[in-house]
Formats: sequence, C-alpha cells, structure tokens
Amino acid sequence: GESVGLHLPTLSVQEGDNSIINCAYSNSASDYFIWYKQESGKGPQFIIDIRSNMDKRQGQRVTVLLNKTVKHLSLQIAATQPGDSAVYFCAKRGGGADGLTFGKGTHLIIQP
Amino acid sequence: DTAVSQTPKYLVTQMGNDKSIKCEQNLGHDTMYWYKQDSKKFLKIMFSYNNKELIINETVPNRFSPKSPDKAHLNLHINSLELGDSAVYFCASGQGAWSPLHFGNGTRLTVT
Repeated sequence: GESVGLHLPTLSVQEGDNSIINCAYSNSASDYFIWYKQESGKGPQFIIDIRSNMDKRQGQRVTVLLNKTVKHLSLQIAATQPGDSAVYFCAKRGGGADGLTFGKGTHLIIQP
Repeated sequence: DTAVSQTPKYLVTQMGNDKSIKCEQNLGHDTMYWYKQDSKKFLKIMFSYNNKELIINETVPNRFSPKSPDKAHLNLHINSLELGDSAVYFCASGQGAWSPLHFGNGTRLTVT
C-alpha cells in the first residue's frame, strides 16, 4: 500500500545550524511531493513542493531533494532560526481530486 | 484575509450530542477537504468535495457527514458523538492535482 514515513520523530539542532528532515515513501504512482510546517495551534502551512521530474528545488532558506531511485525526500533548512521550531510533514499526492497522504511528522527543536 | 477559515476553534461537548464544524475558503478552489489529526499528530483525510460532489469518502463512520452548500463552503456534521471522536479537525482546499492544499487552523473537538 501507499505510505509516507519520516525517519525521526524529533530533531534537535542548534540555532544557526542547517537542519535536514528526511522522508521515505513507498512504491507509488504519486509524482508530486510537498513539505508542510505545522506550528502549535495552527494548521499545516505549505513550505515547498517538488514534482518527480525534478531532483531539487530551492526556496527561501529551504531546499527539497528528491531521490526517486531510493524513494527518499528531504527538506533542508539553512541557518535554522527559533521560528523554524515546528512539526514538519512530508506528503504526497497523486493526480485527480484525491487528497494528500501525510507522513507522521518530525518535531524540529531549536536549541539556543 | 484568512484563506481557509473554520469555526469554532474549540468545541467541547458530551457523548451522544450532535455538532457541526463550519469551513469557508476564499481562494476560489474547486476542491475542499476534511482531515482528522489524532493525538500523535497523524493527519488522515476524511472527505473531499469537488463541485458539490463527494470524491473521496474514507472509511469514517456514517455519523460523520460533509455538507457543501456551495463551492466555498464545506461543513462537517457529526451525530452521536463518541469519546474517540476527540481530535483536531482541519478543513483544506485545493485547485488541481499539482498544487498544494491550503489548510485552516483547525477545530479542536473534545468529547467528554
């Protein structure tokens, strides 16, 4: 069956360091992947997405890498700030009107 | 302007009661969704509506019923509430297969 999972439930990093959050997905026809950030008391907030015809996509301080060979997705956050503290979800979507399948989430903790 | 808004933010009620959660989106999206987030932060899709038609109905109890008076609204009605229904419910909207979903800030439902 289709699934999306994250390797670690909690990731602790020093402020100013780079953060890498990983995600693995099972064999799937999905070719669209999304990273979300969820802060306490709020809904998931879109960070960055990538289609399977790309290996890498960059945004402001964030980069998503997609390795289709090993079915692995990662989110890199440069120069982590206190405001980056949140739960991060990877998600995938197929074509049509189906919804997103979410991974279990990684709680990113920023150490001062 | 809030893109996806849902009310109420908190809902505390007793077992056996019937309650509703309202959702509105001002993004002009064609599809709206309801997601349930459990105590472990796992997000699971419940329903999606596309142009007033139910596209996905995951294996949720028939006590849950989505109702969409128009494209901008998708309300969630829950009958005969049970303790296990306690969770955070998120409304979302999307447009097309290759764009991210936009989420509301959730309704925390507590059944006592």
